Amino acid sequence: NAGVTQTPKFRVLKTGQSMTLLCAQDMNHEYMYWYRQDPGMGLRLIHYSVGEGTTAKGEVPDGYNVSRLKKQNFLLGLESAAPSQTSVYFCASNQLWQGRESEAFFGQGTRLTVV
Amino acid sequence: GNSVTQMEGPVTLSEEAFLTINCTYTATGYPSLFWYVQYPGEGLQLLLKATKADDKGSNKGFEATYRKETTSFHLEKGSVQVSDSAVYFCALITGNQFYFGTGTSLTVIP
Repeated sequence: NAGVTQTPKFRVLKTGQSMTLLCAQDMNHEYMYWYRQDPGMGLRLIHYSVGEGTTAKGEVPDGYNVSRLKKQNFLLGLESAAPSQTSVYFCASNQLWQGRESEAFFGQGTRLTVV
Repeated sequence: GNSVTQMEGPVTLSEEAFLTINCTYTATGYPSLFWYVQYPGEGLQLLLKATKADDKGSNKGFEATYRKETTSFHLEKGSVQVSDSAVYFCALITGNQFYFGTGTSLTVIP
């Protein structure tokens, strides 16, 4: 039971470098999310997707881009990394069940440091 | 707007003590409510949930009741263990958007 898998788990970037974080879920969920977690600030939504081929901005989208070309994958890109993007990134997914939104299932997180 | 407010931490308790972590919410519509737990270095795991008013969610000795009249979903456990040390997040979902509290760190000492 893989659930939600994030790769990589750790990464160190230099300022200005780019990278892509991959999220894969095997539960056939329609909805997927990217959050960042910073001390004292809880989880903040970066971008989300309500289905294959769709994306939408969350609370803190600046500096990030996303794509959902396949239903099971949700990619988060940083085009030009900045130290302010040092954080732990979590992917999550959920679905509608009996007309109600289900709980979110989370990946293990990616710890990103930008130096 | 929609929001979740939970008790600030950190909370330190002795083993077998009673735990309460307060959570109140503001939401339009009829949200589902959740408690998640995060152990060090891991992602969030669902602890319990409630989908309508007066529902009680329970798991691993933890309980929370969806109180619409007080817009609350307080987490309780009668006797905590060292293994319960973690960060606890209250959350709601409405309109397929999740709203999380800022988390409450719990440390249980032997």
